[in-house]
Amino acid sequence: QLVLTQSPSASASLGASVKLTCTLSSGHSSYAIAWHQQQPEKGPQYLMKLNSDGSHSKGDGIPDRFSGSSSGAERYLTISSLQSEDEADYYCQTWGTGIWVFGGGTKLTVL
Amino acid sequence: QLQLQESGPGLVKPSETLSLTCTVSGGSISSSSYYWGWIRQPPGKGLEWIGTIYYSGSTYYNPSLRSRVTISVDRWKNQFSLKLTSVTAADTAVYYCARVAVAGVWYFDSWGQGTLVTVSS
Repeated sequence: QLVLTQSPSASASLGASVKLTCTLSSGHSSYAIAWHQQQPEKGPQYLMKLNSDGSHSKGDGIPDRFSGSSSGAERYLTISSLQSEDEADYYCQTWGTGIWVFGGGTKLTVL
Repeated sequence: QLQLQESGPGLVKPSETLSLTCTVSGGSISSSSYYWGWIRQPPGKGLEWIGTIYYSGSTYYNPSLRSRVTISVDRWKNQFSLKLTSVTAADTAVYYCARVAVAGVWYFDSWGQGTLVTVSS
């Protein structure tokens, strides 16, 4: 079964960097994913598509502070030089033979 | 610039049918490069995929909702719609429409702002 697992919460200080993790279920380690950001009281926004080899393509207007990487079944979203507006929920998402799957989301707090 | 806008009643009674429409502007719903989807988010919870449609009318549905969901497309109006039957309080959520880009992984690359639907008598 295709499942994406995310830690419920993360925190980091203003100006620092943070690395969020999305883990693909067993047997699906080659899958690409997408990362989405949902700021408080807003709809989700597409951030980037991330392949299993770590290559990624970002959505229009997404700052260079956002980057992606991969290792095995893990997909990462790194945000550097954290700003207050980065405090948000981050969801990973993938697709498998006619179904779309979201991770449970990680709530990022900027201290 | 692509825009998606959800519309429909904000309040639906239990056991009735929830109906929403997504109007696409700044792009054609008939593009062969994209699918179109519905996602919902119950208050305080995460995102749940509901279903996806191609301009030709082919559909994919979340297995957990398949028996109650119908998604349709109106190419002439550049719209697609969601119907969810026999709703309960558990269907209370913000409903989003989104575009699906097909590029290796089929991912949502543009979202509507969402519309809150409350199921209550």
